[in-house]
Amino acid sequence: AQKVTQAQTEISVVEKEDVTLDCVYETRDTTYYLFWYKQPPSGELVFLIRRNSFDEQNEISGRYSWNFQKSTSSFNFTITASQVVDSAVYFCALSDSNYQLIWGAGTKLIIKP
Amino acid sequence: ETGVTQTPRHLVMGMTNKKSLKCEQHLGHNAMYWYKQSAKKPLELMFVYNFKEQTENNSVPSRFSPECPNSSHLFLHLHTLQPEDSALYLCASSQERVGETQYFGPGTRLLVL
Repeated sequence: AQKVTQAQTEISVVEKEDVTLDCVYETRDTTYYLFWYKQPPSGELVFLIRRNSFDEQNEISGRYSWNFQKSTSSFNFTITASQVVDSAVYFCALSDSNYQLIWGAGTKLIIKP
Repeated sequence: ETGVTQTPRHLVMGMTNKKSLKCEQHLGHNAMYWYKQSAKKPLELMFVYNFKEQTENNSVPSRFSPECPNSSHLFLHLHTLQPEDSALYLCASSQERVGETQYFGPGTRLLVL
């Protein structure tokens, strides 16, 4: 069965600290896609990254970086030098041969000034 | 970027009312989705349309009725709702269904009294 686990329900850090959001997934497919979305208090889900199962290269985009490790079925997300505007709920999701997005429960990130 | 728009942004309705939610995408996509997001529950996929044809209906009660007149517009018709239907309703679109990134609208916050 497909499943996405975000074990951290809520994380609170002080501004400028680095923070890592964990995502662990389960799937039997060899071809699948992983996503991260950000949901600020306004409610809109903002797409951050999409990674396919054949591309294990880590990615960096400004202060954001993603660590994809198939050996541990993890796709973790790190924010470097966090800012108050990073406060949001972050969702990890998996898309496989069933074509649906399987969502994690989300991690609420609070950045305190 | 406002590639996906939703109206209204907020809606309060009684249990006997009939209302409709509207979603429009300006991204040239072929697939559109309705999701329900309730407090403290995972994101729930309700309906999927691919090339205007409904391809998924995840056991949604008949008081929710989707309509997709063309690949750019998606409606969710509501009638005789229950208070437990109060939630954030999110519309999304993607190029096609297989592993493609879904882009979301800002959502409609619905309160059923």
